[in-house]
Amino acid sequence: GAVVSQHPSRVICKSGTSVKIECRSLDFQATTMFWYRQFPKQSLMLMATSNEGSKATYEQGVEKDKFLINHASLTLSTLTVTSAHPEDSSFYICSAAGLAGGGSGNEQFFGPGTRLTVL
Amino acid sequence: AQSVTQPDIHITVSEGASLELRCNYSYGATPYLFWYVQSPGQGLQLLLKYFSGDTLVQGIKGFEAEFKRSQSSFNLRKPSVHWSDAAEYFCAVVTNDYKLSFGAGTTVTVRA
Repeated sequence: GAVVSQHPSRVICKSGTSVKIECRSLDFQATTMFWYRQFPKQSLMLMATSNEGSKATYEQGVEKDKFLINHASLTLSTLTVTSAHPEDSSFYICSAAGLAGGGSGNEQFFGPGTRLTVL
Repeated sequence: AQSVTQPDIHITVSEGASLELRCNYSYGATPYLFWYVQSPGQGLQLLLKYFSGDTLVQGIKGFEAEFKRSQSSFNLRKPSVHWSDAAEYFCAVVTNDYKLSFGAGTTVTVRA
């Protein structure tokens, strides 16, 4: 149990276009989902926290108009990178928190990540 | 603020040798601590976690970690590493609202 999927796993787009990344909790209801960004050889940096049915909370320095997050259901959150530019190229990872697999709710279950390359 | 520090950026170990990765945390109360492993281009896999109880925690792939409150540490160990253990390892602590704060990571290289 406690499986989180991301789609797509890899995307290449042209500068100026928008890209949507989906994060799904497959076998549990995720009350909270998180989006992280990871640059090569670096740690994960939290971008935003989203709770189902409410607006996402963005970390300091993250442009909310640039990175649109929607958490419309307890199993799906989406991250849309609007007007992408080469500096947005990164590895984006989502995670989901909920009472999955007997977990306490303090545990996050991670998706496999999405590699975004903006040309 | 709650945080973790991983002092070692890179560790090289011979196959079959033991491995210990250090993690120090900063948190007033009993922390929720995790160790994750990440292979290149992959997501994070949970190795083990500590919430409470027994301070020696067993995880997957033969890993274990020991919570030491007196030293504010949660070091990860494996008695005998395999070449497949070469990866990036992250220690993390739950701060609040389920947020995770990650350490900078330790890259493990395994030599034959």
